[in-house]
Amino acid sequence: EDKVVQSPLSLVVHEGDTVTLNCSYEVTNFRSLLWYKQEKKAPTFLFMLTSSGIEKKSGRLSSILDKKELFSILNITATQTGDSAVYLCAPLPYNNNDMRFGAGTRLTVKP
Amino acid sequence: DTEVTQTPKHLVMGMTNKKSLKCEQHMGHRAMYWYKQKAKKPPELMFVYSYEKLSINESVPSRFSPECPNSSLLNLHLHALQPEDSALYLCASSRGVDHYEQYFGPGTRLTVT
Repeated sequence: EDKVVQSPLSLVVHEGDTVTLNCSYEVTNFRSLLWYKQEKKAPTFLFMLTSSGIEKKSGRLSSILDKKELFSILNITATQTGDSAVYLCAPLPYNNNDMRFGAGTRLTVKP
Repeated sequence: DTEVTQTPKHLVMGMTNKKSLKCEQHMGHRAMYWYKQKAKKPPELMFVYSYEKLSINESVPSRFSPECPNSSLLNLHLHALQPEDSALYLCASSRGVDHYEQYFGPGTRLTVT
């Protein structure tokens, strides 16, 4: 059975800290992994990772995928209170768009 | 236009009511999705439409009935719901079903009394 495990489930840091969020997966016919940020309502798309070892960056956020060890990490440097949110990862299999989210990591950034 | 819109934002309905949720996108996306999200849980996929045809039905109870009248619109018809169906209902769209990121609407917060 397919599995997606995110860790930690919850994290509290102070502004300026760097955080690393983890997502491990076991998915049949894996193609890509997606990261989303969810604040109050709609999850907003952050990254799609398809190739192993190639870092994707967007400002203070970066992410990388390891297809051999079946995990991905999301890094946030110099955190700000606006980074407080639930971060969701979702592996995407081939041939369909049956995207299943992990439980998420709830990040709280304190001033 | 890079937005997925959903109406209404909030809906309260009784167990005998019939109501509909509406989702719209004008990005030319050909795949649209309904998700259900309970508090402190991740979104769970309910339905996928690809080119206006239902392609995945995740064993959702028949009291939820999706409809895709055209490539820009997605409806979710609700009938005889239970209190445990209270949740945030999210709509999403993507360029296609194969290997494209999904963009989410703001959701409809549904309360069944």
